[in-house]
Amino acid sequence: RKEVEQDPGPFNVPEGATVAFNCTYSNSASQSFFWYRQDCRKEPKLLMSVYSSGNEDGRFTAQLNRASQYISLLIRDSKLSDSATYLCVVTTGGGNKLTFGTGTQLKVEL
Amino acid sequence: NAGVTQTPKFRVLKTGQSMTLLCAQDMNHEYMYWYRQDPGMGLRLIHYSVGEGTTAKGEVPDGYNVSRLKKQNFLLGLESAAPSQTSVYFCASIPPGRGFNEQFFGPGTRLTVL
Repeated sequence: RKEVEQDPGPFNVPEGATVAFNCTYSNSASQSFFWYRQDCRKEPKLLMSVYSSGNEDGRFTAQLNRASQYISLLIRDSKLSDSATYLCVVTTGGGNKLTFGTGTQLKVEL
Repeated sequence: NAGVTQTPKFRVLKTGQSMTLLCAQDMNHEYMYWYRQDPGMGLRLIHYSVGEGTTAKGEVPDGYNVSRLKKQNFLLGLESAAPSQTSVYFCASIPPGRGFNEQFFGPGTRLTVL
């Protein structure tokens, strides 16, 4: 079983739609959680951290459920510019290493 | 402030050739990392360093060596390249005292081994 699992997609949604991505992690000792965004043939960039209380950044909302070892990302009012691959990331191994999911591809269409 | 840079951006090698990938950061970051990214596999950690003069193995270290002689540079070496090492290589660094609030990535090196 992979340490961090994501549905690879692609998720094809119309502009303005709401879309949700899920991620599960297997190591109950994982400490920190993040969503990264990766555009085609570019490096990953931090989108947002994920906290147990849930957090929001504009159109983006992230949730963490430690009991179920589950992380989610909700994107409201999707824009064409949101088209990218979204990577779920957790810290493991004493906190100095990141473990990446394989990513979920999002395509926002007119 | 150039951030994290990687040299070269592209390279084609023949099986058995050697090469060194250079990662440089001018942000005084302590931790530096080398990842490879393959389709359907996500980013996998090759080696990492928690400070000048220190290195440690990651998830997929075989076939690679690293050195961190200067704080700002982290080198990844392939002694005898194999087709299985065809990949996109990303370097990353973390600033001191910031936890994992952000890991800064370089633009990547696309390596093809024939």
